[in-house]
Amino acid sequence: DAGVTQSPTHLIKTRGQQVTLRCSPKSGHDTVSWYQQALGQGPQFIFQYYEEEERQRGNFPDRFSGHQFPNYSSELNVNALLLGDSALYLCASSFVRAGGSWLHEQYFGPGTRLTVT
Amino acid sequence: TQLLEQSPQFLSIQEGENLTVYCNSSSVFSSLQWYRQEPGEGPVLLVTVVTGGEVKKLKRLTFQFGDARKDSSLHITAAQPGDTGLYLCAGRIQGAQKLVFGQGTRLTINP
Repeated sequence: DAGVTQSPTHLIKTRGQQVTLRCSPKSGHDTVSWYQQALGQGPQFIFQYYEEEERQRGNFPDRFSGHQFPNYSSELNVNALLLGDSALYLCASSFVRAGGSWLHEQYFGPGTRLTVT
Repeated sequence: TQLLEQSPQFLSIQEGENLTVYCNSSSVFSSLQWYRQEPGEGPVLLVTVVTGGEVKKLKRLTFQFGDARKDSSLHITAAQPGDTGLYLCAGRIQGAQKLVFGQGTRLTINP
């Protein structure tokens, strides 16, 4: 059973550049959430995608955008990178049951370590 | 302002000792999860608690959800070096889809 996969594992960018991170959810899951984890902190919710639409968004600027594809995989895009965007970016997948009830568990991928210089 | 407060933030104890980590909030959660995270890796789900007062055991780990569903604790009995890691609690607020995380407890078990 394939778990959540993310690519790339590490990335180094310079200020002002744009970056795209990718995520494939766990088999059978249809919902993808993205989190940012700064060093020494807990993950912070960026947004969640279900049925190819953004369902909910955290307190992140419009520079952070995303997309979900018909196969449930997802991308996180960050424009005009700032030094403060350096973090571990985590993707988590989950499953919405019939009737729209969202199961409680989210399963995380290994993350993408983004360094902005 | 941290919605979920974990304590302690750092804990270093000897192998064989017992410990408890706390996760507190003024908000009510529909469920609460505990994760363990190794350096450079994603959090790994340990347990989900849903019902107020619920207690779940995972070998030497005991998880409890507060009666009012505002707090939770993780108790480890006879800690081992393999228990070393970052322990994160995360709550799902009623009606929301996102998880709100605590800042984590970094646990070190010394042989």
